[in-house]
Amino acid sequence: GAVVSQHPSWVICKSGTSVKIECRSLDFQATTMFWYRQFPKQSLMLMATSNEGSKATYEQGVEKDKFLINHASLTLSTLTVTSAHPEDSSFYICSARTGTNSPLHFGNGTRLTVT
Amino acid sequence: QKEVEQNSGPLSVPEGAIASLNCTYSDRGSQSFFWYRQYSGKSPELIMFIYSNGDKEDGRFTAQLNKASQYVSLLIRDSQPSDSATYLCAVISDAGGTSYGKLTFGQGTILTVHP
Repeated sequence: GAVVSQHPSWVICKSGTSVKIECRSLDFQATTMFWYRQFPKQSLMLMATSNEGSKATYEQGVEKDKFLINHASLTLSTLTVTSAHPEDSSFYICSARTGTNSPLHFGNGTRLTVT
Repeated sequence: QKEVEQNSGPLSVPEGAIASLNCTYSDRGSQSFFWYRQYSGKSPELIMFIYSNGDKEDGRFTAQLNKASQYVSLLIRDSQPSDSATYLCAVISDAGGTSYGKLTFGQGTILTVHP
């Protein structure tokens, strides 16, 4: 149980374009999902907390207008990287859990390369 | 002081030995503690979670929690080369407000098990 599916697993895009990443909880409902970013040889950094039916909560230093998050249903959250630049190239990972203090279950991640 | 600190390693142990991974945390009110394993280029996978003081065993893995010392550890018995990965300690803050339920990761410990 507690499977999180993320799509796509990798994407290459040109600078200035936008990229949408989907995160789905397959066998449970997730009122809250979390988006992380990981640069090479660094740990996971929380970008934002996605709340179903309301605005996302962004961590300090994360531009909400650049990283658009939509959590339209209890099983789907999307992250859109708008006007992507090479410095946005990273490993983006979504996660969800069944309860407030339950373990986080991660999607397989999306490797974004902006050329 | 970082919220969650791990000995960054790298830690190298011979096959069959016990690997000991350590983690300290700063928020004394934290209640939930997790260990994740991350292979290179992959997303984290849950290894263990522990909520109460003491030891929790699952197969070759034992998590140990000491809330008074704000310390959590992971022991891997009979280490195998396939255990070679980065191990992430994660803590759910009990700070309340927007931080409630937020999972904070340590920087990770790289473990290498050599044949």
